[in-house]
Amino acid sequence: ETGVTQSPTHLIKTRGQQVTLRCSSQSGHNTVSWYQQALGQGPQFIFQYYREEENGRGNFPPRFSGLQFPNYSSELNVNALELDDSALYLCASSWGTGWSRNEQFFGPGTRLTVL
Amino acid sequence: KNEVEQSPQNLTAQEGEFITINCSYSVGISALHWLQQHPGGGIVSLFMLSSGKKKHGRLIATINIQEKHSSLHITASHPRDSAVYICASSSGAGSYQLTFGKGTKLSVIP
Repeated sequence: ETGVTQSPTHLIKTRGQQVTLRCSSQSGHNTVSWYQQALGQGPQFIFQYYREEENGRGNFPPRFSGLQFPNYSSELNVNALELDDSALYLCASSWGTGWSRNEQFFGPGTRLTVL
Repeated sequence: KNEVEQSPQNLTAQEGEFITINCSYSVGISALHWLQQHPGGGIVSLFMLSSGKKKHGRLIATINIQEKHSSLHITASHPRDSAVYICASSSGAGSYQLTFGKGTKLSVIP
């Protein structure tokens, strides 16, 4: 059984560019959640995908978008990058959508730096 | 709006000491999570609890629903326990959204 993987591990972009981050969920999991963690802060929920549909969204602008594929892997896309988008981006997979019932397994994260 | 506060922000302990990290939240929740984040970013879920107490090895988590407060205890601390410990709350049985605290950075010195 493989764990949650993310790619790339590190990424440097400039303002205005677009970026795609990838997440492969743990085997058997159908739900992927994405989080943004700024330096020295706790993670902030971006959105969750369940069976290829967006299941919920945090307080992030529309330039943050995502996809989930039939194999339940997922992408996070960020358009028109801003300096404040520099952060660690974490994905987590679970079987089922509710945090109160379903333990989430986190990937190692992608560290994005926007210059 | 639920807010999650942790204390202390930073904690340095000698190996073998008993450690307590505190977490308080502002609204009713359905579950409280304790997570461990090592340098480099990876997060591991330690506990998910909605009442009482849970124990796993040297780690103990407690929650007091009436006081909206949870604690994470580490007995006989070891340098490998050095990490950031984060508490997070979820509300509603099907809730997908977690509210996270800022984390407590623990350093255990040999």
